[in-house]
Amino acid sequence: QVQLVESGGGVVQPGKSLRLSCGASGFSFYSNDIHWVRQAPGKGLEWLATVSYDGTNGEYADSVKGRFTMSRDNSKNTLYLQMNSLRVEDTAVYYCAKDLPIGGGYNFQYWGQGTLVTVSS
Amino acid sequence: QSALTQPPSASGSPGQSVTISCTGTSSDVGGYNYVSWYQQHPGKAPKLIIYEVNERPSGVPDRFSGSKSGNTASLTVSGLQAEDEGDYYCSSYAGNKEVFGGGTKLTVL
Repeated sequence: QVQLVESGGGVVQPGKSLRLSCGASGFSFYSNDIHWVRQAPGKGLEWLATVSYDGTNGEYADSVKGRFTMSRDNSKNTLYLQMNSLRVEDTAVYYCAKDLPIGGGYNFQYWGQGTLVTVSS
Repeated sequence: QSALTQPPSASGSPGQSVTISCTGTSSDVGGYNYVSWYQQHPGKAPKLIIYEVNERPSGVPDRFSGSKSGNTASLTVSGLQAEDEGDYYCSSYAGNKEVFGGGTKLTVL
């Protein structure tokens, strides 16, 4: 079955960098767009970014554009989120997510368990 | 401030129906038939319950239904059950990005 497993979260100081990983299994990773969504403690969901199946196209929310970069290694079935210039307000649980195999737009049917990033001095 | 507007809370008794609204603009909800709804229980990842305004993924009970009129989408939960209690989020495609609502806490009385 489809599995997504995030890793790499932790505590980091403001202004520093962190790289998250999302390992995928149970589906054809190389042919699927993948997304990052985050949720600050006690707050709602926020779409962050989407990377195309081949890694050539990426879309980012304004809140992270220029600071976060998605990449993927299809040979390792792994997605990465490089987060630079981290801010206190980036503190959140970060999820990777995969769409339904049908339908238009973005439909996040499969989610990982999330990894917590805490930005604090 | 969230891109889509949802009421912060909703409630109903077991067996009743409750409707949650989600208001956006012509750039998101009104511009695409790509509205989704997610259910989230504490400490868990969200679960997709409605996509493309009114479609249900496999395994989602037909007690959950969606609709849209203009810039406002709605989720109706019929025959409320205790396990329906949780947070509900709407989202809409907005042209190479997705926007979420702020979430609605549904309480089953």
